[in-house]
Amino acid sequence: SQTIHQWPATLVQPVGSPLSLECTVEGTSNPNLYWYRQAAGRGLQLLFYSIGIDQISSEVPQNLSASRPQDRQFILSSKKLLLSDSGFYLCAWSVSLGQGVLGRNQPQHFGDGTRLSIL
Amino acid sequence: KQEVTQIPAALSVPEGENLVLNCSFTDSAIYNLQWFRQDPGKGLTSLLLIQSSQREQTSGRLNASLDKSSGRSTLYIAASQPGDSATYLCAVLDGFSGGYNKLIFGAGTRLAVHP
Repeated sequence: SQTIHQWPATLVQPVGSPLSLECTVEGTSNPNLYWYRQAAGRGLQLLFYSIGIDQISSEVPQNLSASRPQDRQFILSSKKLLLSDSGFYLCAWSVSLGQGVLGRNQPQHFGDGTRLSIL
Repeated sequence: KQEVTQIPAALSVPEGENLVLNCSFTDSAIYNLQWFRQDPGKGLTSLLLIQSSQREQTSGRLNASLDKSSGRSTLYIAASQPGDSATYLCAVLDGFSGGYNKLIFGAGTRLAVHP
């Protein structure tokens, strides 16, 4: 069966410090991978998605970046954190079946998230 | 720009009640609509996925309906239990976003079922 792991579960960082959050998926190959952020009282916002190694699309401002060095590893990074980066970060994966009807209707499976607090 | 709204924001009911959670979206050009459950401090669990060509999906005590033309979906929970307490999120796969598989989420309905 497929599993998704995120770490760390919680993180407290000072403003201006770097960030690295990791996500790995097991039990599947060539998944689509996603990073979301959930701010308090708001819906999830898609930050990045990836359809393959080194193939990443961004949906948000440039303070954050994402990398996919291996097929089932997705990393969210920042060189200098801002107060506004606080939130709950979620990684997700879905089966990659192309851009047709079958591919679009694959559910996304989420990790347990990382609670990031910036001081 | 697609926007997803969920009403009510919070709901508290006694155990055993049947209840309805509402979701509305502004652009009817969607590929599918999904309902998720989120427990406090946890990730999301997929509950139901309704394709754009479908009207409803059922799983156990859950039933979700989709009316694309009016931009609405409802999640019906029968015979609610304290274990159903969680935040329920609605999301649409927006057919006209920059990339496929981009889910647009509502802010959720926080449900509390008390014994």
